[in-house]
Amino acid sequence: QSVLTQPPSVSAAPGQKVTISCSGSSSSIENNYVSWFQHVPGTAPKLLIYDNNKRPSGIPDRFSGSKSGTSATLGITGLQTGDEADYYCGTWDSSLSAGVFGGGTKLTVL
Amino acid sequence: QVQLVESGGGVVQPGRSLRLSCAASGFIFRSNGMHWVRQAPGKGLEWVAVIWYDGSKTNYADSVRGRFTISRDNAKNTLYLQMNSLRAEDTAVYYCLRYNINTFDYWGQGTLVAVSS
Repeated sequence: QSVLTQPPSVSAAPGQKVTISCSGSSSSIENNYVSWFQHVPGTAPKLLIYDNNKRPSGIPDRFSGSKSGTSATLGITGLQTGDEADYYCGTWDSSLSAGVFGGGTKLTVL
Repeated sequence: QVQLVESGGGVVQPGRSLRLSCAASGFIFRSNGMHWVRQAPGKGLEWVAVIWYDGSKTNYADSVRGRFTISRDNAKNTLYLQMNSLRAEDTAVYYCLRYNINTFDYWGQGTLVAVSS
């Protein structure tokens, strides 16, 4: 059972928008920065969002992040078939002194 | 460019040991904390261990504490994970990660560890 809670799956049509939620606690999300990762099975996970809402260079602005209290959200607009992947939230947990991840959300672009 | 290359995975019997290595390049290795994360078949990402940039502190997930040891050699730009008393539930792809300013910004390609008799 993961420390952070994500929905197992989301789906939407090409061109549409989707959001993925990530729920944690005061010791994890509320008091630490949240990151989001895209993982295509068989490849290395890729950083999409860091510091709650910043994008590394090369990540299109179709991807956005936000945080409020003990929850965070990843948004993806203008969905493309190439966006199909597993998406994970991650952060540091100050109580555990450990990294923590969500269970992952499988995105299907119908 | 930053590169992290894991090695040392393979098939091992329950109760045996294995040591994973992660060769780092493209950045000043001694400046960054490093982590190991794993993904069991069909499961999500599970954080395993962390080591501070200078090796002064380490921490582990409860599932591996007392059996796994994370270490680093800053002169060789290499991160290690010594895994003892391996169990079937340790079967996973193991990734090494760089921690940089609040995030895991680079991941290796992973190395597969399969624990089976």
